[in-house]
Amino acid sequence: AQSVSQHNHHVILSEAASLELGCNYSYGGTVNLFWYVQYPGQHLQLLLKYFSGDPLVKGIKGFEAEFIKSKFSFNLRKPSVQWSDTAEYFCAVNEGFQKLVFGTGTRLLVSP
Amino acid sequence: DSGVTQTPKHLITATGQRVTLRCSPRSGDLSVYWYQQSLDQGLQFLIQYYNGEERAKGNILERFSAQQFPDLHSELNLSSLELGDSALYFCASSVGGNGGSYNSPLHFGNGTRLTVT
Repeated sequence: AQSVSQHNHHVILSEAASLELGCNYSYGGTVNLFWYVQYPGQHLQLLLKYFSGDPLVKGIKGFEAEFIKSKFSFNLRKPSVQWSDTAEYFCAVNEGFQKLVFGTGTRLLVSP
Repeated sequence: DSGVTQTPKHLITATGQRVTLRCSPRSGDLSVYWYQQSLDQGLQFLIQYYNGEERAKGNILERFSAQQFPDLHSELNLSSLELGDSALYFCASSVGGNGGSYNSPLHFGNGTRLTVT
């Protein structure tokens, strides 16, 4: 069965710091990869997704993620975080037409 | 606004009770998915319905059941509630049955926070 690991459960950064959140998955076949964000009190929103092509994916709000197939990873990055990036971030994977499997999430707190 | 509506927003109930959570999918979406978000388990897939029929099942307890009605809204029924059932329950919808695929992204509701005392 697929599994998704997010090793950082809580991350605290100051504004303007760089961000990298780790995501590793277990499945070795062709996968689709996603990052979702949940701002306080709001629903999950799609940040970015990878299906094929360029392994460096640009998302909304300055986020990007890099798919490294050999490492089964899809880490999320942002060069300079803002206070408004305080949220919970979820990595998700699905294989073909299968259901999305989510990681346990990483809570990011950005201090002004 | 994702277009997915969940009611109620908050629910507080006692152990042993039964509750019903409701989800109205985004207009035009045929699939509804239920997820449970708890502190220790993260976001767990429970069950999916597509156009009224069960499509996929995840880690859903036997005490829980769901259905999707002809108007495509869905209800998640939780019975014999235990303290450990306290969680945020999310509903998501997608156009097709393959939520998360390129042409059928998932849209999430704001969730129902269930507290079992």
